[in-house]
Amino acid sequence: TQLLEQSPQFLSIQEGENLTVYCNSSSVFSSLQWYRQEPGEGPVLLVTVVTGGEVKKLKRLTFQFGDARKDSSLHITAAQTGDTGLYLCAASKAAGNKLTFGGGTRVLVKP
Amino acid sequence: GAGVSQTPSNKVTEKGKYVELRCDPISGHTALYWYRQSLGQGPEFLIYFQGTGAADDSGLPNDRFFAVRPEGSVSTLKIQRTERGDSAVYLCASSLNPPSKASTDTQYFGPGTRLTVL
Repeated sequence: TQLLEQSPQFLSIQEGENLTVYCNSSSVFSSLQWYRQEPGEGPVLLVTVVTGGEVKKLKRLTFQFGDARKDSSLHITAAQTGDTGLYLCAASKAAGNKLTFGGGTRVLVKP
Repeated sequence: GAGVSQTPSNKVTEKGKYVELRCDPISGHTALYWYRQSLGQGPEFLIYFQGTGAADDSGLPNDRFFAVRPEGSVSTLKIQRTERGDSAVYLCASSLNPPSKASTDTQYFGPGTRLTVL
């Protein structure tokens, strides 16, 4: 059983459309991170959210941390082909920096 | 500046053989992490080093897996008697500061080593 459940597992959309990826857990976390990973590369950190209810924006990407710090969402507005990749959420509990990753959502943005 | 580098980028070996995977962290980073990523999955934590010592090795799947960081910089992940189930991408990450309850330091990942056990 994965500690972090991501949905959907795969998403294919046309350029210009919006999309939302979800990351859910029954556990409470001190912080949650979103990464993007491209083929042949390691994950690259997009954002860290710490406070329940927190919303962060990174250009066309909007990240939200649930009020209870158990879930998070990533929303992309007007997706571009460059947004294609594997989106991973990861979380750490209070003790230390050991990251637990979700299974990932593979996003394909078609031109 | 240089990021995290890992060698080799690809390793093909036969079942039962021994392999070593190397990680060069970002210069000055005190913390180093190893993860394993199976096809279609997210990375799975293996071991974390603070300096030369393994601070948390709870993710190592069994005693065939071992990792060292003798001088507090480069690390080597060693797998004995490889099995087909060990096939995966092995990722290394480093962070500047040691982990604390007060902060979540950014981990910078290398490109990984793709291990294939035939």
